[in-house]
Amino acid sequence: DAGVTQSPTHLIKTRGQQVTLRCSPKSGHDTVSWYQQALGQGPQFIFQYYEEEERQRGNFPDRFSGHQFPNYSSELNVNALLLGDSALYLCASSLGSREPYNSPLHFGNGTRLTVT
Amino acid sequence: GIQVEQSPPDLILQEGANSTLRCNFSDSVNNLQWFHQNPWGQLINLFYIPSGTKQNGRLSATTVATERYSLLYISSSQTTDSGVYFCAVGYSGGGADGLTFGKGTHLIIQP
Repeated sequence: DAGVTQSPTHLIKTRGQQVTLRCSPKSGHDTVSWYQQALGQGPQFIFQYYEEEERQRGNFPDRFSGHQFPNYSSELNVNALLLGDSALYLCASSLGSREPYNSPLHFGNGTRLTVT
Repeated sequence: GIQVEQSPPDLILQEGANSTLRCNFSDSVNNLQWFHQNPWGQLINLFYIPSGTKQNGRLSATTVATERYSLLYISSSQTTDSGVYFCAVGYSGGGADGLTFGKGTHLIIQP
């Protein structure tokens, strides 16, 4: 049973560039959420995708955008990178199509993004 | 938004000791989960526990939603229990919701 997989594991980008991170959910899951974790902090919710649409969004600027594909995999795009975007980006999957809609989150190992 | 406070922030114990980690939250929730982040950064779901009590081996958790707190108990600690323990909460009116995480409890188990 494949868990949540993310790619790449590490990434170094220059300020102003754009980046795309990828996530495949756990088998059987249909909902993907993205979180940003700065060093020494808890993860912060970016947004969630269900049925290929953004269902909810946290307090992040429009530079952060995403997409979900028909196979439930997802991408996180960040434009115009800032130094402060350096963080661990975590993808989590869950089953959101039936009650209770809140189901346990399963996280991938994350992508470590460094912006120089 | 909802506030989540975890205590203690840091905890150092000897192998074999027991511990209790606490999570207080500021508003009604119908989603509460405990996670363990190991030293390699991997986040593992320990419990999905919006209310009641659950046990899994040496770990157990209790959430008293009406009093807005949850407790995570670790018994007979092992060095592999080291890491950061996060409590995360959310409220959904009918669709899944993003979770708000606390700052975590950093646990070190010494041999």
